[in-house]
Formats: sequence, structure tokens, C-alpha cells
Amino acid sequence: AQSVTQLGSHVSVSEGALVLLRCNYSSSVPPYLFWYVQYPNQGLQLLLKYTTGATLVKGINGFEAEFKKSETSFHLTKPSAHMSDAAEYFCAVSGRNKLVFGAGTILRVKS
Amino acid sequence: DAGITQSPRHKVTETGTPVTLRCHQTENHRYMYWYRQDPGHGLRLIHYSYGVKDTDKGEVSDGYSVSRSKTEDFLLTLESATSSQTSVYFCAISESMGGTTNEQYFGPGTRLTVT
Repeated sequence: AQSVTQLGSHVSVSEGALVLLRCNYSSSVPPYLFWYVQYPNQGLQLLLKYTTGATLVKGINGFEAEFKKSETSFHLTKPSAHMSDAAEYFCAVSGRNKLVFGAGTILRVKS
Repeated sequence: DAGITQSPRHKVTETGTPVTLRCHQTENHRYMYWYRQDPGHGLRLIHYSYGVKDTDKGEVSDGYSVSRSKTEDFLLTLESATSSQTSVYFCAISESMGGTTNEQYFGPGTRLTVT
């Protein structure tokens, strides 16, 4: 069985500051890991995914995430926050079948 | 964007009435899913389908039924709506349920209010 824990339901950063959204997972099989973003009143959009190979994964809009097996983590980062990054972010894990989502982290970007 | 539409986009209904939500895709993906999204819970899987007339339950299936008579359409029915079913419902599709192509693509959502 798989599960995801996102640390912090709300994160607030200043424009231009580092964005760090934390995700820890539990999986009984080698995991596939995903980050999705949801803008207000929209569906979820895939930001990036880790399947196999390189543990540092680059996604859209300047985001990246690093798979750390020893820490069972897949934290999402962006060097410099932009106002347009304000959204809700979901981490998800998949084994051989269905995706399991975390509760989400709302990112607020202050000007 | 993946070709996924949901209808209606908004609905207000009364307790005890039946409600059907429709998901339509133009991607010819085999797998389709219904989720509900509630604050603090992320997305929770209601039902999914792995082919025409092939469906299975997710983690929060009580009070919901689904049908898939064509590859492109996946219907979610609330037989007798309750206030606890007030939520935002998302449909998703994927090429597979495992492996490297199991990323899911989401529709725009349906906001359902049960009064």
C-alpha cells in the first residue's frame, strides 16, 4: 500500500524567494512519484514525475524535485518564486496501480 | 491539454435526489477515474474503470455508482444525494495503471452542492 504526507498545508514565501514544498511517501514497491499543481477553479496539471533513473527531476515552470530513497522524500523546489506560482500543489505516489494523493499544500506568494 | 470535459460544471441539488455527472474524453485512453476533492483530504478515489463495462471501487465508493458503456464516456451517479456528497468532483484518464505511463490527466471539475 502507498501513502503520501505533505508537510504544511499552507506555505507562504516572498516573490523571488526559494520555494520548498515537502513530500514524504510510503510504498511497499519501488514508487513512481508525481507533483501536480492546481490553479483556482481548475483541474490538476502535471508538474513533473519520477519513474526511474535520474533522481533529480525537472518539470515545467522552473520547478524540480529530488527523489531520495533513503529519506522516502520527494520535495519540490523552485529557486525563485513568482506571483503566478500561487496555487495548490499535490504530491502523489503510485506503485503498480492507482495514484494516491497527499492532502495538498497551498502556496502563497507575497509581493 | 488532454481532451477531457465534464458536465455539468456546477450543480445544486436537493438531498435525496439522484444526480449524474458525465466525463467525456477524446484521447482514447483505457483508464478513467472519478475523484472527489475536499479541503484537507486531497483527492480521494471514488471509482475507476479499466475498460468498457469494467469498473471497480475506490476508497470512498459508498453512495456512488458508475457506468462506462463507451470508451469515451464515464458516468458517476449519486443515487440519493446527501449533504456529505457536497464536493468538487474530478474525472481523470490515463493510458495505464502501472508503469511509466500511469500519469493521469484531469478534467476541469464539477462543483456539486447538495442542500
